[in-house]
Order: sequence, then C-alpha cells, then structure tokens
Amino acid sequence: QVQLEESGGGVVQPGRALRLSCAASGFSFTNHAMHWVRQAPGKGLEWVAGISYDGLNKYFADSARGRFAISRDNSKNTLDLQMNSLRAEDSAVYFCARGWDMLGEGYFDYWGQGSLVTVSS
Amino acid sequence: DIQMTQSPSSLSASIGDSITITCRASQDISYHLAWYQQKPGKVPNLLIYSTSTLLSGFPSRFSGSRSGTDFTLTISSLQPEDVATYYCQNHHSAPLTFGGGTKVEIK
Repeated sequence: QVQLEESGGGVVQPGRALRLSCAASGFSFTNHAMHWVRQAPGKGLEWVAGISYDGLNKYFADSARGRFAISRDNSKNTLDLQMNSLRAEDSAVYFCARGWDMLGEGYFDYWGQGSLVTVSS
Repeated sequence: DIQMTQSPSSLSASIGDSITITCRASQDISYHLAWYQQKPGKVPNLLIYSTSTLLSGFPSRFSGSRSGTDFTLTISSLQPEDVATYYCQNHHSAPLTFGGGTKVEIK
C-alpha cells in the first residue's frame, strides 16, 4: 500500500533553516509528481511546492518562492523540502502528498501523516 | 494566480438533510477541481476530482458539479460520519490553490 512518511520537523528559531524529508513506498515513485502541503494550527490547507516525476519542473506558492527548495531522489524514493529564512507564519504541519500525475499540476491522491514545524524564538 | 473562494465557511445541518458547498474560481479552470474531506484530527482525503469523479470508498450521497467557474459539492443525506471540513482545490495549474474550507457539523 502507498506509504508516505515525513521526518525532520521540530522547533526552529526565526531566520534559521530546516529540512523536511518524505520517504515513499508502496508505489512506483518515478511515475508521480510529489508535493508539500501545509496546515497552520486551526487553519486551512495551503499548497507549498510541487515537483515533477523527473525533478525537472518545480512549482512554488508565492509564500515559498525564493526561500524554499524542493527536490527528490528517485534512487532512494525520497522527497525533500529545504526551508530557509523561516518565519513565524511558516509554523504548520507539513504534509507530503503524492500527485496523481507525473508533471506536477494536479490533485493529491495520497497524503502522509504530517510533520510539525514550529518557528519560535 | 487562481483564487478559490469557498462558501459557507461553516454550516450546521440535521441528519438526512441535503447540503451544498460552493467553490468559485477566479478564472476558468475548466473541470479541474478537486474536493477533500478532512475529519477532525485526521489527514485530508481526496473525495472528488475533475469536478465530479467520486473516489471509490465514498458513498454515492456525495456528488460534485460545475457551472462555469462555480463548483458545488453536495451531500444528499447528511450522516454523522460526514462531520468534517471540506476543501476545494484548483488542479488546473500551479499554484495549486485551495479554498478556505467548509466545516460541516450536525445540528
């Protein structure tokens, strides 16, 4: 069965960096785009970034562009999100989500359990 | 960027009622609209994609439709297990924006 397991969350000071990872299993990783979606406490869903099956196409929300980087390692079936210059408003649960398609502009058919990031001094 | 405006933000209805949630796109996204169900404390689950394709495992009382840039999610006979927050999502083009969510409760 499809499994997505996030790791790397925690408490970080404003202005610092943090790297999230997502380990995927149970499906052909190279056949799917992958995404990060976040949810601040008590708030709605916000798509953060997506990457195509081959890593060549990357997409970002305005809130993430220029500060976050998304990457994937198809040899290890992993997805990463490098978050720099973190702000208090980046505090959220970050979900790794599988795209239904290969290219990266679609919907999300499987989700991980999420990893909590708290930005606080 | 495409904005998704979802309404209402919350609703309370009785068991057996038919309810409708609306999502309006700021520009044409054709049929590329998905709905997610997020139960309290749980991960979101894809419910409907491409406006009206219902995921297997969900009951047929859930349905989706479209009129231009207006999309609706209808629950034809509300059940206790439908208590959740529902989100729409543009899956036409990046950025892949979500609506603000609709919290559904039982009266």
